[in-house]
Amino acid sequence: DTEVTQTPKHLVMGMTNKKSLKCEQHMGHRAMYWYKQKAKKPPELMFVYSYEKLSINESVPSRFSPECPNSSLLNLHLHALQPEDSALYLCASSPGQGRLDTQYFGPGTRLTVL
Amino acid sequence: GDSVTQMEGPVTLSEEAFLTINCTYTATGYPSLFWYVQYPGEGLQLLLKATKADDKGSNKGFEATYRKETTSFHLEKGSVQVSDSAVYFCALSGGFQKLVFGTGTRLLVSP
Repeated sequence: DTEVTQTPKHLVMGMTNKKSLKCEQHMGHRAMYWYKQKAKKPPELMFVYSYEKLSINESVPSRFSPECPNSSLLNLHLHALQPEDSALYLCASSPGQGRLDTQYFGPGTRLTVL
Repeated sequence: GDSVTQMEGPVTLSEEAFLTINCTYTATGYPSLFWYVQYPGEGLQLLLKATKADDKGSNKGFEATYRKETTSFHLEKGSVQVSDSAVYFCALSGGFQKLVFGTGTRLLVSP
C-alpha cells in the first residue's frame, strides 16, 4: 500500500480566514513533504519533515505554518493568505533512504483564495 | 546544481502509436531517476524509477533506462491508449530529500 491521503479535496477561503490542510500516511515513512503546484508547472517544495522534525523550509512565507504531530500526520496551517497562494497543495511521504528514497504523493488539496 | 530537461509538449499521438518522451539530466554523483504521471485534477503518481546506471524501470507498459553515458532517462511505450493522456514529469533525487523536476510534458492521445 503506497497511499497518502489528503483532506479536504477542495478549499475556498477568504484572505482573513484560518484553515488547515491535513495529510496522513500509514506506510511507516519517516519523511513527509509539502509542495505547492501552480497550473502547468512542476511541484515546488515548501517544507520537509524528517523524523517529525522540520528539516527543510524553502523560504516559505510565515502565513504558511507546517506541523507534524506524529510520524503519520502532517498539517499545513494557513492564515492571511493572498490570492496568488491559490494552487494545488500536494503532500508526499518517503521512507527516508537517502539517495534511494522514493516519494509518494497524495491527491492534493485544491486551494482557492478569494 | 542538479537539473532535469524534458522535451516541450504537448505531444499529440493517435491511439496505438509509439511514445517517446525525452529526459536528460545534470547531476553530481549518482542520482536516482523517476517518472511521475499526473492525470487531470489529480496528484502525482509514481510511474517508474531506476536507481543506478543501466537499470530499466517499467510499469503499465512504460519503460525507461538509466543511461549514465548520455545522462538520459527517456520514457517509452509501445502502444499508447487514450487513458494515457496526462502530464509526465521526469525527476531526479540526489539525496538530501529534494526531488528536482523537469517542466513536465503533456501527452494527448486521440482515438
